[in-house]
Amino acid sequence: DTGVSQNPRHKITKRGQNVTFRCDPISEHNRLYWYRQTLGQGPEFLTYFQNEAQLEKSRLLSDRFSAERPKGSFSTLEIQRTEQGDSAMYLCATAVETGELFFGEGSRLTVL
Amino acid sequence: EDQVTQSPEALRLQEGESSSLNCSYTVSGLRGLFWYRQDPGKGPEFLFTLYSAGEEKEKERLKATLTKKESFLHITAPKPEDSATYLCAVQAGTNAGKSTFGDGTTLTVKP
Repeated sequence: DTGVSQNPRHKITKRGQNVTFRCDPISEHNRLYWYRQTLGQGPEFLTYFQNEAQLEKSRLLSDRFSAERPKGSFSTLEIQRTEQGDSAMYLCATAVETGELFFGEGSRLTVL
Repeated sequence: EDQVTQSPEALRLQEGESSSLNCSYTVSGLRGLFWYRQDPGKGPEFLFTLYSAGEEKEKERLKATLTKKESFLHITAPKPEDSATYLCAVQAGTNAGKSTFGDGTTLTVKP
């Protein structure tokens, strides 16, 4: 399968715990994005990498959120000290210069 | 700030009943307007890219059109398998990174 792969698909955690999501991109795509989506809403931009460089981060993103893309390959999104408001689907997408996004299946986070 | 508004929020059609979904946008220098399809519990799937006013793209029963202020997704003779949420997104020329999404139109096609 050469699509975008995300793990884990589902994560249930208690408030205050840290969680980490991983995204393995389509190998030829140098652009990688993280989005968050809640029920009934469209995807909300979180951050963007071109190769290993993090070029943009949403102003709405709290400092509890951090993302990395070492060596321009896979990426991780970590949420520290989770809150109930962090419950959402976290989507990873990759792209080439033409701009269309290729999404993974998402990682659903539930914070109890 | 870029904005995308989609209407209606939900649309119920009978199989074979054609209709259109609307995407109104405000963006500083449009680089591209994108349509995606999203099935429940899955990530969005790319459908079309439109770059300039007057452009049209077609795929099976779907046709996307673009003006300077809005885009339409026309669905001709829909089938139940066309039921999904359809998302519209814009990318600004000043920011080649992120796409800004609307909240989508949830389409239900009854047999």
